[in-house]
Amino acid sequence: KQEVTQIPAALSVPEGENLVLNCSFTDSAIYNLQWFRQDPGKGLTSLLLIQSSQREQTSGRLNASLDKSSGRSTLYIAASQPGDSATYLCANSGNTGKLIFGQGTTLQVKP
Amino acid sequence: NAGVMQNPRHLVRRRGQEARLRCSPMKGHSHVYWYRQLPEEGLKFMVYLQKENIIDESGMPKERFSAEFPKEGPSILRIQQVVRGDSAAYFCASSTLADYNEQFFGPGTRLTVL
Repeated sequence: KQEVTQIPAALSVPEGENLVLNCSFTDSAIYNLQWFRQDPGKGLTSLLLIQSSQREQTSGRLNASLDKSSGRSTLYIAASQPGDSATYLCANSGNTGKLIFGQGTTLQVKP
Repeated sequence: NAGVMQNPRHLVRRRGQEARLRCSPMKGHSHVYWYRQLPEEGLKFMVYLQKENIIDESGMPKERFSAEFPKEGPSILRIQQVVRGDSAAYFCASSTLADYNEQFFGPGTRLTVL
């Protein structure tokens, strides 16, 4: 049974700092891995999707990596800004389509 | 191209009533997924549908919950005889199965059972 764990559960950093969010999963037979952002009381915004054959994806200040052999993915946020404050969720899917989510990391970036 | 649409955004029901949640996928998407986020818990998969077919309902409670995605119109998640424990945010996502099945989420329906 696939389980997804995110560490840390919460993180507070000063503006401008680079930071790394961690995601680990128990079953390496994944189809893809997605990182999402969720603002309080809102839906999910897809940030990055890494295909199982890929090692990383980049979008602006965000970089996500995938290491299937160790069952880990990381989301790197460069030069953090107060607007980055949100909950970040990772989720993976097998080829059945359904996403298995971690509990999320709640990020606060202080001005 | 409008994103995934869900309505209502907020729904209040009394115990024993029925709740109907609607989801219109993105244009061109024929795959719909429903997820539930209970207070202080993570998102959990409920059901995966294609047009007129339920593909995977392994996350659906055995009783009172049903889902459909008809040939025409939105996908419907129906909860009969709601109880307080059904209070949660219900999210719908859609995909094409192309692009490695990237799923796009709607804003959610927040159900409160009094």
